Amino acid sequence: EIVMTQSPATLSVSPGERAIVSCRASQSISRNLAWYQQKAGQAPRLLIYGASTRATGIPARFSGSGSGTEFTLTISSLQSEDFAVYYCQQFNNWPLTFGGGTKVEIK
Amino acid sequence: QVHLLQSGAEVKKPGASVKVSCKASGYSFSSYAIHWLRQAPGQRLEWMGWINAGNGNTKYSQQFQGRVTITSDTSANTAYMELSSLRSEDSALYYCAGGSIFYFYMDVWGKGTTVTVSS
Repeated sequence: EIVMTQSPATLSVSPGERAIVSCRASQSISRNLAWYQQKAGQAPRLLIYGASTRATGIPARFSGSGSGTEFTLTISSLQSEDFAVYYCQQFNNWPLTFGGGTKVEIK
Repeated sequence: QVHLLQSGAEVKKPGASVKVSCKASGYSFSSYAIHWLRQAPGQRLEWMGWINAGNGNTKYSQQFQGRVTITSDTSANTAYMELSSLRSEDSALYYCAGGSIFYFYMDVWGKGTTVTVSS
């Protein structure tokens, strides 16, 4: 099974600043990576798929990059509604696996 | 608007089975896949399995192989996940999520169903 490792576990950022979340796969997954946002008490929401394609309705301040084993989610200017937990997920191999999550909190 | 409606919370005893439903609306059910995942408090998302709602093909995580069964009823636009031989560690929030039958990410999610396993 492919292990997905996210860093950092917690990221403290001030509103308006940039946030960068990293995700590493234990083996190459090409660009078969998705990012999700999960707010407290809510289901996850798809942000990015194919490593860099924004899902429908996702603001342009969210961007994804990377391929192979190293990936990054960047939020260019944090808004109040962006404070949440972010997960990466690989869909290159079965079973589908998720990272442990990165909590983006207000500094 | 695409929507997945899950059945209500369940409380089960160890050794019992639970069956959770997921009713889809707003899209062509048989053209989509339904994933089942779970999340214990403070834990990462855990993928359990997947069904191609159109042809009924399934794929399960080895971790749950033999205990989980995912089915679909296209006449009711509903998918089901049954987990057997429940133990306390199975207490979690169970999600269904929809996605393409070709690319295995999830672009629509249900609100989740809490399953509590307790004697």
